[in-house]
Amino acid sequence: GENVEQHPSTLSVQEGDSAVIKCTYSDSASNYFPWYKQELGKGPQLIIDIRSNVGEKKDQRIAVTLNKTAKHFSLHITETQPEDSAVYFCAPRKTGGYQKVTFGTGTKLQVIP
Amino acid sequence: NAGVTQTPKFQVLKTGQSMTLQCAQDMNHEYMSWYRQDPGMGLRLIHYSVGAGITDQGEVPNGYNVSRSTTEDFPLRLLSAAPSQTSVYFCASRGTGINSPLHFGNGTRLTVT
Repeated sequence: GENVEQHPSTLSVQEGDSAVIKCTYSDSASNYFPWYKQELGKGPQLIIDIRSNVGEKKDQRIAVTLNKTAKHFSLHITETQPEDSAVYFCAPRKTGGYQKVTFGTGTKLQVIP
Repeated sequence: NAGVTQTPKFQVLKTGQSMTLQCAQDMNHEYMSWYRQDPGMGLRLIHYSVGAGITDQGEVPNGYNVSRSTTEDFPLRLLSAAPSQTSVYFCASRGTGINSPLHFGNGTRLTVT
């Protein structure tokens, strides 16, 4: 099965700074790379995703970059705000059929006002 | 549109008791799954289903049973609760699209004493 690792496990940044979280995976057949955000007391929610035929995708202050050769992808958050404080998960998978989804162990981001 | 609904939100059980965690979705998703979330362990897949009448085991299935009699519902049964099953449980579903993300409920916090 897919082996997924996330780094760092915790991250503290000052408000306005940038944050980067990296996800490394093992299955070279993975071709869908989402990031989920989990706020306190809630279930994870998709915030951005990318497919393997694209190297980078941006949505306002968040972006995802993919290095398929090295089997890792990263979440970039610029101009961080207190509401970005949450736990972030990556969950790479193959898109054919209904594949089991393996999540990374999560990164707790704290944005200090 | 309610999305994924989990009940109850909180539950306390004594060791050896049984209970069913309910999950319902109104998005006509074929794929449904159960995860447990423990501190430092991320989200671990318990069981999943790719359609009514079809279920399969995930990463940590022991101590849990599931069934899928309808597209909408995917209950998780604990037959004889153990303290090791103290956790937060999330139900998630997704559709058939290539880029379909998982949609999560808000979780059930279970404590077994």
